[in-house]
Amino acid sequence: DTGVSQNPRHKITKRGQNVTFRCDPISEHNRLYWYRQTLGQGPEFLTYFQNEAQLEKSRLLSDRFSAERPKGSFSTLEIQRTEQGDSAMYLCASSLGMLNTEAFFGQGTRLTVV
Amino acid sequence: DAKTTQPTSMDCAEGRAANLPCNHSTISGNEYVYWYRQIHSQGPQYIIHGLKNNETNEMASLIITEDRKSSTLILPHATLRDTAVYYCIVRLLQGGSEKLVFGKGTKLTVNP
Repeated sequence: DTGVSQNPRHKITKRGQNVTFRCDPISEHNRLYWYRQTLGQGPEFLTYFQNEAQLEKSRLLSDRFSAERPKGSFSTLEIQRTEQGDSAMYLCASSLGMLNTEAFFGQGTRLTVV
Repeated sequence: DAKTTQPTSMDCAEGRAANLPCNHSTISGNEYVYWYRQIHSQGPQYIIHGLKNNETNEMASLIITEDRKSSTLILPHATLRDTAVYYCIVRLLQGGSEKLVFGKGTKLTVNP
């Protein structure tokens, strides 16, 4: 078990381009979370999956954002028509989905939109 | 919004205990207090959590006041590698997501 893995670690893209990030959670974890973090702020919740079902989405997740977890294992977060305001660290976390268990975070994907 | 209040920054001498306070005056009876930390350019790392009783693990101790309106995270012998942002979080249980709601945390600097 190597923990939560996120790829790529860094992504630089031009404004207007689409980007996709991948998260591989810890293998037995059925809950998966996406967060976004900008400089000087704590992570902000974006969305959450229980197995393959996306059960909650933040208002921060605009129509340009879409997340999937097709087989209840890895997840992808896609941002369409990127804007400079999308520049941030995108963090993925997973947990066992039982009450009172901790979430484990990946190292994040740092997105820079130029 | 986060339901906790923490000092923006703190300093601690290497080898001394670091005591990080957190106020959570609106905590409800079935909400836990969690602590995470984030070292620069890494994802947050779980430290400890508790409900009512004081808790201790290999990383830290958590002291929760009897009225549960505040808590203190104690790093007993701080090292330079403990320099990080420390987040105190009241775990929200909304529709079963149990998402973590982060504030801005406390930037702890351990000095040599």
